Amino acid sequence: SQTIHQWPATLVQPVGSPLSLECTVEGTSNPNLYWYRQAAGRGLQLLFYSVGIGQISSEVPQNLSASRPQDRQFILSSKKLLLSDSGFYLCACAGTVPNEKLFFGSGTQLSVL
Amino acid sequence: AQTVTQSQPEMSVQEAETVTLSCTYDTSESDYYLFWYKQPPSRQMILVIRQEAYKQQNATENRFSVNFQKAAKSFSLKISDSQLGDAAMYFCAYRRYNTDKLIFGTGTRLQVFP
Repeated sequence: SQTIHQWPATLVQPVGSPLSLECTVEGTSNPNLYWYRQAAGRGLQLLFYSVGIGQISSEVPQNLSASRPQDRQFILSSKKLLLSDSGFYLCACAGTVPNEKLFFGSGTQLSVL
Repeated sequence: AQTVTQSQPEMSVQEAETVTLSCTYDTSESDYYLFWYKQPPSRQMILVIRQEAYKQQNATENRFSVNFQKAAKSFSLKISDSQLGDAAMYFCAYRRYNTDKLIFGTGTRLQVFP
């Protein structure tokens, strides 16, 4: 089954600094990939999804962007972080079996100060 | 657009007792999937149980079972014989058929008391 690697596990960044969170997937090829954000006391909000290299769909307007430079690599970025970007970021990958579950990474806790 | 609502921000249960977590959703689709995910303090997302909308029979996984009411658009999770390790955030999620994009509710924090 798939394995999702996310790093770093925690990150503290000042307002206005850039951001790059990386997610890589093992055990599958051409997966659908997702970035979710979990703000404090709230559910998981879908930010971006990608069905292939260079193909990114944004679910909500925001200060963040995503890229997929390789088949199994998904990157979440920002040029200038805002306080409201703080949260727990999860990368997810669709399974190889159609209509099966999503596999999640271990997440990155981002604190913008 | 599809939405998922969990109206109980927090619930508590005594060890060995039974607890039910509520979830309602809104969709105009007839084919879809519903999920309950558990997020323990480690924050790893763990799939608890999955229900296909076309199946009338409620899904069960050991101590976990659901009450799926399609007409009412309700999907509650029942945890029997609660254990301390069941303490976690529980998220209800919806997915349209032939997509794998999940829409989550806001979660219910479950506390289990000895």
